[in-house]
Amino acid sequence: RKEVEQDPGPFNVPEGATVAFNCTYSNSASQSFFWYRQDCRKEPKLLMSVYSSGNEDGRFTAQLNRASQYISLLIRDSKLSDSATYLCVVNRGDYKLSFGAGTTVTVRA
Amino acid sequence: ETGVTQSPTHLIKTRGQQVTLRCSSQSGHNTVSWYQQALGQGPQFIFQYYREEENGRGNFPPRFSGLQFPNYSSELNVNALELDDSALYLCASSLEDLNTEAFFGQGTRLTVV
Repeated sequence: RKEVEQDPGPFNVPEGATVAFNCTYSNSASQSFFWYRQDCRKEPKLLMSVYSSGNEDGRFTAQLNRASQYISLLIRDSKLSDSATYLCVVNRGDYKLSFGAGTTVTVRA
Repeated sequence: ETGVTQSPTHLIKTRGQQVTLRCSSQSGHNTVSWYQQALGQGPQFIFQYYREEENGRGNFPPRFSGLQFPNYSSELNVNALELDDSALYLCASSLEDLNTEAFFGQGTRLTVV
């Protein structure tokens, strides 16, 4: 079983729509959680950390459910510039980050 | 810009050859991690270097090796290249605490033919 699993999508949404997707992780000892954004053929960049109480950053809301071992990301009022692959990332407190395969979001005009 | 630079940006090698990829970490960061990202997949952890020592390794064969230098820059070496080694190789620079952000370089796209 993969450490981090994501729905690959693609999610194809119109501008202004809300889109949400999840990822699940297998290691219950995982300690840190992140969403990274990756544009086509570019490097991943941190979108936001995910905290147990849930957190928002502008139009982006992240939630963590430790009991069910899943993380969610919600994007409100989608912009064309939100089109990207969103990578769910987990750290179990050791030396490596474990990445999901990514969820592709395409926002259309 | 993250301050993490990788070279070269693109590379084409023949099966069986050896390759060296380079990474300069962000100023103040003492930890460098290398990842391999195949097309359509997430980055997979290769290994990490902390203060010039290997600090952890993923599920990659010994022909993947690395170095970290006193200035915290790093090299990834791959011997006996195979076709499946074709991928984007990413270097991530961070402080030793992975609860803080890891900054990625733009990557080296390696094609093995």
